[in-house]
Amino acid sequence: DTGVSQNPRHKITKRGQNVTFRCDPISEHNRLYWYRQTLGQGPEFLTYFQNEAQLEKSRLLSDRFSAERPKGSFSTLEIQRTEQGDSAMYLCASSLPNRYEQFFGPGTRLTVL
Amino acid sequence: QQQVKQSPQSLIVQKGGISIINCAYENTAFDYFPWYQQFPGKGPALLIAIRPDVSEKKEGRFTISFNKSAKQFSLHIMDSQPGDSATYFCAAGPLRGSTLGRLYFGRGTQLTVWP
Repeated sequence: DTGVSQNPRHKITKRGQNVTFRCDPISEHNRLYWYRQTLGQGPEFLTYFQNEAQLEKSRLLSDRFSAERPKGSFSTLEIQRTEQGDSAMYLCASSLPNRYEQFFGPGTRLTVL
Repeated sequence: QQQVKQSPQSLIVQKGGISIINCAYENTAFDYFPWYQQFPGKGPALLIAIRPDVSEKKEGRFTISFNKSAKQFSLHIMDSQPGDSATYFCAAGPLRGSTLGRLYFGRGTQLTVWP
């Protein structure tokens, strides 16, 4: 399967714990995006990388959230001191250089108890 | 503030009928308008997209109509099938400037096609 992959697919954690998610984009896609989707809503933009550079961060991305893409390949999204309001599906997407189309992965569903 | 407004929230169509979902936007910097299809437990899948230099784009049974002056665009699904039952999201984003690449999504339309 050459699509965007995300791990883990599901994560259950207790409030206050730290969690980290991984996204592997489609090969040769230099742009990588993180979105968050809550039940009954559309995805909301969190942040965006071009190669290893983080070019934009949404105001939704509080200080507890950090994203990295150290070698311009896979990316990680870490949430520190999780809160119940962080419960959501975290989606990763990627796109080719100079192309508009974003292709999404299956997402990581986070449940904070 | 919702950058992209989508309606209806839910839609029930008989097999073979036409499904129509509408979206509106305000930001004139938006110049890319994709539609995504999402099944439960899956990520959104790109269905079809349009840029404002054309008023219509058709791919198979799916057609986007775009009205630049009204800042509205819609998805038409012809000959709707039970397998089309899913949630559909419209989105919009700029292809230039500091927010390049960022997509703003509507709240989704849950489509049910009865056999």
